[in-house]
Amino acid sequence: SQELEQSPQSLIVQEGKNLTINCTSSKTLYGLYWYKQKYGEGLIFLMMLQKGGEEKSHEKITAKLDEKKQQSSLHITASQPSHAGIYLCGADDGDSSYKLIFGSGTRLLVRP
Amino acid sequence: DAGITQSPRHKVTETGTPVTLRCHQTENHRYMYWYRQDPGHGLRLIHYSYGVKDTDKGEVSDGYSVSRSKTEDFLLTLESATSSQTSVYFCAISEGGPGELFFGEGSRLTVL
Repeated sequence: SQELEQSPQSLIVQEGKNLTINCTSSKTLYGLYWYKQKYGEGLIFLMMLQKGGEEKSHEKITAKLDEKKQQSSLHITASQPSHAGIYLCGADDGDSSYKLIFGSGTRLLVRP
Repeated sequence: DAGITQSPRHKVTETGTPVTLRCHQTENHRYMYWYRQDPGHGLRLIHYSYGVKDTDKGEVSDGYSVSRSKTEDFLLTLESATSSQTSVYFCAISEGGPGELFFGEGSRLTVL
């Protein structure tokens, strides 16, 4: 079955700094999804990437899917305390069209 | 916000007792999922449903059963709770399969 590995596991940055979170898949990605979880709450969908080389942005967050469709990166520009939380990447399980599997998450703390 | 409600939100129980968590949606979405979230493991899929009475196992289904007798409700049952099932459980729904999932607020279960 497919596995997703995220790095780093945790990240502490100063407000205003840029940062990047990576998600690497053991298999070709047919769909890659980024979610954010505020501490103690449920997950919120951020973006979906499906095509090799695709890039999407939402406010100060940009996500890319590499050409080989096995790695995605999430980049935050000029981080703010509101960006703090856990970021998880999810992907279609290649064995089933119904299942979405997740990486272990990256905990982000932004210091004011 | 998607109409998805989990109950109970918090529960403390003893080893060996049965526990049922309920997920209720008002969106009439076809797909429903139960995940558990543990430190270092991210989100792991327990069971999912692709229609009324249509369910299947996820990555960590041992010790759990589910039922979906109507579109709006997806029940997760621990027949005999164990301490290893202490976790935060999230229900999610989607209209068209994996991808953009809407998550509930989570149910924190502690098994003593």
